[in-house]
Amino acid sequence: GESVGLHLPTLSVQEGDNSIINCAYSNSASDYFIWYKQESGKGPQFIIDIRSNMDKRQGQRVTVLLNKTVKHLSLQIAATQPGDSAVYFCAENTLQAGTALIFGKGTTLSVSS
Amino acid sequence: GAVVSQHPSRVICKSGTSVKIECRSLDFQATTMFWYRQFPKQSLMLMATSNEGSKATYEQGVEKDKFLINHASLTLSTLTVTSAHPEDSSFYICSARGQAGETQYFGPGTRLLVL
Repeated sequence: GESVGLHLPTLSVQEGDNSIINCAYSNSASDYFIWYKQESGKGPQFIIDIRSNMDKRQGQRVTVLLNKTVKHLSLQIAATQPGDSAVYFCAENTLQAGTALIFGKGTTLSVSS
Repeated sequence: GAVVSQHPSRVICKSGTSVKIECRSLDFQATTMFWYRQFPKQSLMLMATSNEGSKATYEQGVEKDKFLINHASLTLSTLTVTSAHPEDSSFYICSARGQAGETQYFGPGTRLLVL
């Protein structure tokens, strides 16, 4: 079936580096994508979203890039901090269809000082 | 963003008992609520979708008689794990959405441990 997946299960970076987390999606009908951060024992925390009519969106220290041609999504975190250590999930759905978000497998980001 | 709460945050129960988990949207009306389950080091798996006043729609492989979902109001949905067994031990997370086309907001999760 169609699903959202992540290329790398773990990513280790040094404090201050930029981090890039990637995600591939296969449902061409998806028009809405979200990145979530999940810390141990907590629910997913919204980071940033992007709709399919955009290819880039910036937030505070984070940027999401969407390449619809190759069905690829990435999350860039600038000046990564130890507090950014968590599992990051991309999720997708088709907004108007009212379907639930479907989550990818997750990437563990580990930031060392 | 909108706030979704869950209660309890943690629960330990004996095998064979039933456990109820509440999910509330605190500052918006949730037309639709979703229940996810997450095992350690795995992603969130959708269990069911619940629309206010309607029967829940369960994902394939999820037993509707074991996981009872009630969405009686626009701010409250409950998940009851009936006759819980150790394999039901997991992290249960709800999310809520106002209308189709809007973002889902997630609760903090409920850790269930069945002994």
